[in-house]
Amino acid sequence: DAMVIQNPRYQVTQFGKPVTLSCSQTLNHNVMYWYQQKSSQAPKLLFHYYDKDFNNEADTPDNFQSRRPNTSFCFLDIRSPGLGDTAMYLCATSRGNRGLINEKLFFGSGTQLSVL
Amino acid sequence: AQSVTQLDSHVSVSEGTPVLLRCNYSSSYSPSLFWYVQHPNKGLQLLLKYTSAATLVKGINGFEAEFKKSETSFHLTKPSAHMSDAAEYFCVVSGTGGSYIPTFGRGTSLIVHP
Repeated sequence: DAMVIQNPRYQVTQFGKPVTLSCSQTLNHNVMYWYQQKSSQAPKLLFHYYDKDFNNEADTPDNFQSRRPNTSFCFLDIRSPGLGDTAMYLCATSRGNRGLINEKLFFGSGTQLSVL
Repeated sequence: AQSVTQLDSHVSVSEGTPVLLRCNYSSSYSPSLFWYVQHPNKGLQLLLKYTSAATLVKGINGFEAEFKKSETSFHLTKPSAHMSDAAEYFCVVSGTGGSYIPTFGRGTSLIVHP
């Protein structure tokens, strides 16, 4: 029944070694979000896709990139991870009809990334 | 611009006693408001949402929240806390200026003592 699936659940990488996190959804939702959540903090939006339209938050580091090859999949690429990128990365989806502003988010279980 | 303030970073209650988690929002428009819960090392789950249909909103697991426009508040309550309620709770606002992008509060950690 899992609707938003994130892989892997835990990821360990070395400082500067590129890493890719994946997210898939079975809901056929238009919008997919990537959030970064550091320990004891609120999720911070990195970027989101509305269909194929990519929307980057102004303060998202250039080190973070994303790809959405189709409706179901979205990837988060961290080109050169730093120690400060250790965090939980959450993928979320919503129906995102632009006329609907009250659509709830469906979250995956997250990927806990540790940069050593 | 929209923003949301969760007034308490931690709330500690005894099992069986009422729970109150406070949230105030700032929005120039009629917002949509949500409460999400996050258990340790898990993703977020929707508890309830307000979308202008009714000011008192009932959610899952016995939680409810009341939208008070005059106070710009959307506090989360539960009559009797259970040990399994221990988690992080996030108040979220969206809809300001027609934007579907949600804004999260900083979160409130609910601690339940036996």
